[in-house]
Amino acid sequence: DTGVSQDPRHKITKRGQNVTFRCDPISEHNRLYWYRQTLGQGPEFLTYFQNEAQLEKSRLLSDRFSAERPKGSFSTLEIQRTEQGDSAMYLCASSPVGAAEPQHFGDGTRLSIL
Amino acid sequence: EDQVTQSPEALRLQEGESSSLNCSYTVSGLRGLFWYRQDPGKGPEFLFTLYSAGEEKEKERLKATLTKKESFLHITAPKPEDSATYLCAVAYYGNNRLAFGKGNQVVVIP
Repeated sequence: DTGVSQDPRHKITKRGQNVTFRCDPISEHNRLYWYRQTLGQGPEFLTYFQNEAQLEKSRLLSDRFSAERPKGSFSTLEIQRTEQGDSAMYLCASSPVGAAEPQHFGDGTRLSIL
Repeated sequence: EDQVTQSPEALRLQEGESSSLNCSYTVSGLRGLFWYRQDPGKGPEFLFTLYSAGEEKEKERLKATLTKKESFLHITAPKPEDSATYLCAVAYYGNNRLAFGKGNQVVVIP
């Protein structure tokens, strides 16, 4: 069963450093999503791709955040000049194209900023 | 304004003690409502999709229902392995994002 895979599972870094996370979606899924989740909260939407096109971005996605999906397969999320407030679980999800298809999530990358 | 509100925030149940979780949402333009289960340190695991009022879905001890303004997740005769946070999310027409509630944290005591 090849679900959504995220790497790394944990990342600890110092404030001001850049970090990059990777997401490999379920292979037949065209849509890929990034969410952020902090303790005691539900996931918050960051951005969404259909194939290689980035179609939606949340205003939560400041200019320090950038996401790519270069060949419509895996995706990367980069955070530049990390801040304490960036500490969170970063979740990736994928879904097939279709009206209100369920999104399937990976187990996330937990980012801790020292 | 929150689009999705879940109650109660936390619930402790004795094994076998049935209960219901509530998810209320902004009504206009609903495309689908989703229930997920999340275990500590893991991503949300998809449980159910509901599309229209009156719809019901079941899986083992869980049953999800949808009315015009809220959804319920009924847990029948829960077991300790049902302990988790249950997340409700909605999708609206006009975008492809999910709006999540804060979750219902359920603990089932043997």
